[in-house]
Amino acid sequence: ETGVTQTPRHLVMGMTNKKSLKCEQHLGHNAMYWYKQSAKKPLELMFVYNFKEQTENNSVPSRFSPECPNSSHLFLHLHTLQPEDSALYLCASSQDGRLAYNEQFFGPGTRLTVL
Amino acid sequence: AQKITQTQPGMFVQEKEAVTLDCTYDTSDQSYGLFWYKQPSSGEMIFLIYQGSYDEQNATEGRYSLNFQKARKSANLVISASQLGDSAMYFCAWVGTNSKLTFGKGITLSVRP
Repeated sequence: ETGVTQTPRHLVMGMTNKKSLKCEQHLGHNAMYWYKQSAKKPLELMFVYNFKEQTENNSVPSRFSPECPNSSHLFLHLHTLQPEDSALYLCASSQDGRLAYNEQFFGPGTRLTVL
Repeated sequence: AQKITQTQPGMFVQEKEAVTLDCTYDTSDQSYGLFWYKQPSSGEMIFLIYQGSYDEQNATEGRYSLNFQKARKSANLVISASQLGDSAMYFCAWVGTNSKLTFGKGITLSVRP
């Protein structure tokens, strides 16, 4: 595997379910990101982890819970979601989250549908 | 707050022709960077090109070039010799000293054979 991978690619869940999104990067990067892409809206940054420490929580509701056990893996735990949470969730990584110029490499995304 | 504007609703271009995708930004920062990303239907965001605010020359990467006009706060992407595989969504993004990428709404480009 190369680059940034995300599983699952598609997920359908009910509002009472608990599920997790997984992201893995094979680039040796130290920063990882979760973004939300809703229809007809710009990408929204959700969380940033730099060297396994969370450095950014962009006012995300607590029903989204990130976890970064090491620099290569990032999870997004989901529980009691709402239909408006349906979106494409993109994971990205970069060499160092503290650098202003910081090319981010994105995964293919997880298409989430909340029923 | 920084703002990225991409107003073109959708663009069409004939294969092998050049196309310009517009992007304007609003910032009071002196040091910043601008990115363009391509998102095909598969969903992955693909980095295309980067321009730093202090770069004196316009960035180029193969068929992609960035027409950077700092005084006008515009950073238009020019794709030369369009190919069918260029059909995708294109996003302009801004980054400042806080290292957070701010994305525009994107533009859909369709290349006609």
